[in-house]
Amino acid sequence: EVQLLESGGDLVQPGGSLRLSCAASGFTFSSYAMTWVRQAPGKGLEWVSEISSGGSIFYTDSVKGRFTISRDNSKNTLYLQMNSLRAEDTAVYYCARELPSSVTVDRGAFDIWGQGTMVTVSS
Amino acid sequence: QLVLTQSPSASASLGASVKLTCTLSSGHSVYAIAWHQQQPEKGPRYLMRLNSDGSHTKGDGIPDRFSGSSSGAERYLTISSLQSEDEADYYCQTWGTGIQVFGGGTKVTVL
Repeated sequence: EVQLLESGGDLVQPGGSLRLSCAASGFTFSSYAMTWVRQAPGKGLEWVSEISSGGSIFYTDSVKGRFTISRDNSKNTLYLQMNSLRAEDTAVYYCARELPSSVTVDRGAFDIWGQGTMVTVSS
Repeated sequence: QLVLTQSPSASASLGASVKLTCTLSSGHSVYAIAWHQQQPEKGPRYLMRLNSDGSHTKGDGIPDRFSGSSSGAERYLTISSLQSEDEADYYCQTWGTGIQVFGGGTKVTVL
């Protein structure tokens, strides 16, 4: 079964750090672009960061310089290191797999989602 | 700028049909999108990828009641024979160079 399982969410003080993990199973993890999406309480979905199968990395503007995405293909795991956390980073964080758009483009629709992990930034 | 626009809400009666719209910003009318469903208190679920020509590829286990179509910059999701479990938020998503974008979501109420 294709599955993504996030972990690492917690309550953290403003300015603190947290590392989220996303364990993948049931597919060849190294062949897919992976992404993080968040959802603040009562709000819509917001894309956070993406890492391609080849290691290209992108971030939404609000997290640039504070968050770092990475992957360990030997462990089939995606990570999100979050530093200098702010109250507005409070959200459920989901990881998702990207469906390749073509033979040469590994980015695209998010076809597999995890169940999410809650990050609360508050004093 | 790549932007997706959705109406905030839609409603229809049990057993009826509802058609949701996702509009691509100017200059992006050929982009493909994806539709996702998020039931209350659950994570999102991928429904389908929808191309500019209206062809679409559904996710595993997605019922035939869900279908997609396109016209110009508009992408549609039609839900036929509405069931109570279709009451959910529906998001469209697209991708560009170095960016992923979501629409604001449409809340569907089954009357």
